[in-house]
Amino acid sequence: GQQLNQSPQSMFIQEGEDVSMNCTSSSIFNTWLWYKQDPGEGPVLLIALYKAGELTSNGRLTAQFGITRKDSFLNISASIPSDVGIYFCAGQLGETSGSRLTFGEGTQLTVNP
Amino acid sequence: NAGVTQTPKFQVLKTGQSMTLQCAQDMNHNSMYWYRQDPGMGLRLIYYSASEGTTDKGEVPNGYNVSRLNKREFSLRLESAAPSQTSVYFCASSDSFDQPQHFGDGTRLSIL
Repeated sequence: GQQLNQSPQSMFIQEGEDVSMNCTSSSIFNTWLWYKQDPGEGPVLLIALYKAGELTSNGRLTAQFGITRKDSFLNISASIPSDVGIYFCAGQLGETSGSRLTFGEGTQLTVNP
Repeated sequence: NAGVTQTPKFQVLKTGQSMTLQCAQDMNHNSMYWYRQDPGMGLRLIYYSASEGTTDKGEVPNGYNVSRLNKREFSLRLESAAPSQTSVYFCASSDSFDQPQHFGDGTRLSIL
């Protein structure tokens, strides 16, 4: 089956620093999604990418859909304490019911004030 | 807006007991999903319902059953709980199968 490798597994940064994390896949995806999970809550969608090469921003967050369709990255600029949480990438091949969402293992982000 | 609501939030079971986890969404979504989340393994799909009246197995369906009761509700049943099923269970929904999924806050299940 499809597998996603997400890195790094964890990051410890100072408030104000920029952050970058990425996901790579052994196969292509047609959709890349980035979620954030706060402790005790479910994942919340941050950014959705639907086209190879697409670069999309949501406030201080920027994500890109890789040209090869096998990778994506998420950048967070000027980090703040509330950015703490687990960030998940997820990929989906297409719209058929057999095309499931595959999740990466997550990046645990810690922001020191 | 409530979005996706899961009940209960916490549950402790003994091995062999049965239990049904409930999920309801108020977004008029067609597709619904059940995942489990274990440390270091991300989210793994148990079962999904692409539309009302249909259900299909996901990546880790063994030991579980599901029921799409109506468009709003999708329940997950453990017939005979095992310690390996200790996990956090998340329900999600989406407008259609290729649209982003929205998650509930999870049910934390411990099986002793």
